[in-house]
Amino acid sequence: RKEVEQDPGPFNVPEGATVAFNCTYSNSASQSFFWYRQDCRKEPKLLMSVYSSGNEDGRFTAQLNRASQYISLLIRDSKLSDSATYLCVVNMIGGGSYIPTFGRGTSLIVHP
Amino acid sequence: DTGVSQDPRHKITKRGQNVTFRCDPISEHNRLYWYRQTLGQGPEFLTYFQNEAQLEKSRLLSDRFSAERPKGSFSTLEIQRTEQGDSAMYLCASSPIPGDLHPGKTQYFGPGTRLLVL
Repeated sequence: RKEVEQDPGPFNVPEGATVAFNCTYSNSASQSFFWYRQDCRKEPKLLMSVYSSGNEDGRFTAQLNRASQYISLLIRDSKLSDSATYLCVVNMIGGGSYIPTFGRGTSLIVHP
Repeated sequence: DTGVSQDPRHKITKRGQNVTFRCDPISEHNRLYWYRQTLGQGPEFLTYFQNEAQLEKSRLLSDRFSAERPKGSFSTLEIQRTEQGDSAMYLCASSPIPGDLHPGKTQYFGPGTRLLVL
């Protein structure tokens, strides 16, 4: 089992749709969770951190469920510009350090 | 531009050659990370530095891979005796030291070095 798992998609949705991605992680001792966005042939960029209480940034909402060991990202009112790959990142303990561990990413395509 | 820079952006080499990549982090960032990314996968952690100290290197892919950050500023990643399987994008990221002991506060990525081993 991979340490951080994501459905690679692609998720193909029309403009204005609401779409949700999940990410599961294997190590219950994990600390710090993030969603990054990566455009085609570009570097990843932080989208938002994920807090235990859940957090919202405009059209984006992130949730953490420690008991079930998953995090989620909800995008409301999808825009064409939201088309990208969304990477889940979990800091996992390994070898005495916390190691940023990325999922393989979920591809989102928003069409007119 | 005060972002993370990487050099070269592209590298083509023949199998068996050594290659070295450079990363210049954001100047006030103490932490520097190296990742490898292959097509259809997320970045795979290789190693990281806090200032000049290499705090985690167990994830380097083999003993052909090594990294340095001698003065706590720029870093280099070297791959010796390259193999075709080393072809990938090599990403560098930097971040400030967080308020707690955990890494993973915002990482700023460079544009990457794309390596092709023939």
